[in-house]
Amino acid sequence: DQQVKQNSPSLSVQEGRISILNCDYTNSMFDYFLWYKKYPAEGPTFLISISSIKDKNEDGRFTVFLNKSAKHLSLHIVPSQPGDSAVYFCAASESNYQLIWGAGTKLIIKP
Amino acid sequence: DGGITQSPKYLFRKEGQNVTLSCEQNLNHDAMYWYRQDPGQGLRLIYYSQIVNDFQKGDIAEGYSVSREKKESFPLTVTSAQKNPTAFYLCASNSRQSTDTQYFGPGTRLTVL
Repeated sequence: DQQVKQNSPSLSVQEGRISILNCDYTNSMFDYFLWYKKYPAEGPTFLISISSIKDKNEDGRFTVFLNKSAKHLSLHIVPSQPGDSAVYFCAASESNYQLIWGAGTKLIIKP
Repeated sequence: DGGITQSPKYLFRKEGQNVTLSCEQNLNHDAMYWYRQDPGQGLRLIYYSQIVNDFQKGDIAEGYSVSREKKESFPLTVTSAQKNPTAFYLCASNSRQSTDTQYFGPGTRLTVL
């Protein structure tokens, strides 16, 4: 039973365009959501997060949107750059130490 | 520089042998974690420890063991009881002040032949 789902295993986007990565969750008790970026053979690095009291958080080219009623969050990357090609993981937390992770979406930025 | 180190980066073992993966952090973090990543799957929690000399099983603890004798170190032993040990193993840590944002090591790719 996956509590955090990333339904798109991969996504291909033209350089300079917007990349939108989606994540759905089932546990309404989740109150903190994070996005991590992972290159091959490396550990994930924290990208951006959002608390359930907000519906948007922006950091440079990265914006995360949270729709609590739909139990959905998304990561927007504008404009997309070649270095953004990586696997992106969505994770959620219920205010404890355990993060619940999605399966990841592989983002490919085409030149 | 502060960070988390995992060694070795690549590890090969024969089937039936126990193997221990190292994880060290100098971030003064209280909590440490071990995750396993398999293709097409999210990170799955093996074990975690919130304080020295204490640890709890995660979702897939069977076939693994850990110890937390020092705050800086959280080694993971993959035992011969683990049925499918070939995977990418990630260690992470976080502080009490930032309980939800974990910092990861570079990972160890274990291949059992």
